[in-house]
Amino acid sequence: DGGITQSPKYLFRKEGQNVTLSCEQNLNHDAMYWYRQDPGQGLRLIYYSQIVNDFQKGDIAEGYSVSREKKESFPLTVTSAQKNPTAFYLCASSMEGPPTGELFFGEGSRLTVL
Amino acid sequence: AQKVTQAQTEISVVEKEDVTLDCVYETRDTTYYLFWYKQPPSGELVFLIRRNSFDEQNEISGRYSWNFQKSTSSFNFTITASQVVDSAVYFCALSDPGTDSWGKLQFGAGTQVVVTP
Repeated sequence: DGGITQSPKYLFRKEGQNVTLSCEQNLNHDAMYWYRQDPGQGLRLIYYSQIVNDFQKGDIAEGYSVSREKKESFPLTVTSAQKNPTAFYLCASSMEGPPTGELFFGEGSRLTVL
Repeated sequence: AQKVTQAQTEISVVEKEDVTLDCVYETRDTTYYLFWYKQPPSGELVFLIRRNSFDEQNEISGRYSWNFQKSTSSFNFTITASQVVDSAVYFCALSDPGTDSWGKLQFGAGTQVVVTP
């Protein structure tokens, strides 16, 4: 079935460690996104990518990094520079350029910093 | 700047009751898009509807209906005859496809709907 796969679903990290969250899609979408969700808050955009080898900072990019070497993959690295990384992370993709169309989401990765 | 307000944090209803979720938005642009997404306990958001700023027709899809009113900058969502499976967090979102805002879908804080049997 087509969709977005995020892994791992749950991740624990010690302070000072970098961690990479995986996001893979088989929908043949050009655009991919990473969002962060905190309790009681809406989703906030971390990074987005319109095409392969190109990505842009969203509203809260500090302490995060991404790469887009393949159309299907858009991994997110949470670095030790991120002050408060404990959150729920959602990856999404869309067929249309600007987000005028439907976003398809993965099931998310929950990161807890110990 | 764009802004989306969902004033209701949580709504609890008994099955078969109707429930209306409020969404108020702010934007300076004349062209924009409004969305509703559902987030069930599994975590992934599911697209429900998109409406562009030039289409003020209300829409009905099964038990779901949407009321878009530009005059009050509102895009409210009603679930008729609620069911337990409707229990989820519902997000309203706004996008302006202008160059500076590409990729930036502005989400509201979400409304938790709890439907009890």
